[in-house]
Amino acid sequence: TQLLEQSPQFLSIQEGENLTVYCNSSSVFSSLQWYRQEPGEGPVLLVTVVTGGEVKKLKRLTFQFGDARKDSSLHITAAQPGDTGLYLCAGSGVQGAQKLVFGQGTRLTINP
Amino acid sequence: NAGVTQTPKFRILKIGQSMTLQCTQDMNHNYMYWYRQDPGMGLKLIYYSVGAGITDKGEVPNGYNVSRSTTEDFPLRLELAAPSQTSVYFCAYGSLYNEQFFGPGTRLTVL
Repeated sequence: TQLLEQSPQFLSIQEGENLTVYCNSSSVFSSLQWYRQEPGEGPVLLVTVVTGGEVKKLKRLTFQFGDARKDSSLHITAAQPGDTGLYLCAGSGVQGAQKLVFGQGTRLTINP
Repeated sequence: NAGVTQTPKFRILKIGQSMTLQCTQDMNHNYMYWYRQDPGMGLKLIYYSVGAGITDKGEVPNGYNVSRSTTEDFPLRLELAAPSQTSVYFCAYGSLYNEQFFGPGTRLTVL
């Protein structure tokens, strides 16, 4: 069974600070995605990374896929209150690629 | 996501009652999924479908059933509701690289 472990599970920081969220596994994934979920809504896709070592930027958010495609990180620069939410990583396995495995999520709170 | 519609948005059931959660997508995608999300947790896959007439079990299928008679619709059936099925249910469709696009969810309480 493929598992994704996210850390930290909870993070509360002040506006303007930087932060990194980690998503780790012992399994190899063919692709990995990050989603953000607001209270009372469904998750919304932020990014997909496919190639080992790949780095993608989305404004102040930087996503990295590990060289071995077993882990990923999300770095937010100069966090803003609008970044508050539940961040979920999800991996598509090499076998059974039509299914995603989700991490348990990181609940991020940015205080003004 | 405007591409996925879920009804109802909220429902309270008594133990032993049954209900169907409706899910419709208008993007003509073959892959569709049902997840449940318990408070403070990630998503667990209940059932999925790779096309009309084809369904398969996910991680937590017990107590649920699905059907996929058309590409657009993927209803989830609860036959004998139990308190353990209190959760938020999300339907999604999948596209390239299995990127998934979720509906707004159905919040179900079983008392």
